[in-house]
Amino acid sequence: DIQLTQSPSFLSASVGDRVTITCRASQGISSFLAWYQQKPGKAPKLLIYAASTLQNGVPSRFSGSGSGTDFTLTISSLQPEDFATYCCQQLNSYPLTFGGGTKVEIK
Amino acid sequence: QVQLVESGGGVVQPGRSLRLSCAASGFTFSTYAMHWVRQAPGKGLEWVAVISYDGSINVYVDSVKGRFTISRDNSKNTLYLQMNSLRPEDTALYYCARGTDYGTSSAWYSDYWGQGTLVTVSS
Repeated sequence: DIQLTQSPSFLSASVGDRVTITCRASQGISSFLAWYQQKPGKAPKLLIYAASTLQNGVPSRFSGSGSGTDFTLTISSLQPEDFATYCCQQLNSYPLTFGGGTKVEIK
Repeated sequence: QVQLVESGGGVVQPGRSLRLSCAASGFTFSTYAMHWVRQAPGKGLEWVAVISYDGSINVYVDSVKGRFTISRDNSKNTLYLQMNSLRPEDTALYYCARGTDYGTSSAWYSDYWGQGTLVTVSS
């Protein structure tokens, strides 16, 4: 199975900060990576698919990059509604797997 | 608008069975793959199973193979997860999610999710 390691697991930041979250795959997954945002008590929301394509309706302050084994999710200017947990998922091979998540909290 | 509504969760003893349902609306259900994803209390997401748009392809995570069966009824716009021989470690919130390949015929990304149904396996 492909393991996804996210870092950091916890991040404290202020409104307006630029935030970067990384996701490393245990083997190459081409660009078959998605990023999700999850708020407490809510279902995950797809932000990015195919490593760098913004899902419809997602603000442009979110961006994704990477291919192979190393990926990043960047929030260019953190907004109050962005405080949540972010999770990557690989779709290169089954079983599909998720990273452990990065919780972004208010500093 | 796309809606996915899960039902069928509850408290069940180890070894017993449960069937989850996911009612879909707002899109042409028969043209999309569907996933089940679970989340144990306070834990991360775990993908469980996927079924192709016509039911011809089913894939499972190893931990549920032989115990869980994913199926669908396209005439009823409903996805199912039959869970047998339940274990305490199956305790989780179970989400159904629509799988979209964005026209690439490669990976089925989960673009819409339901709110989940809670399964608790405990004696």
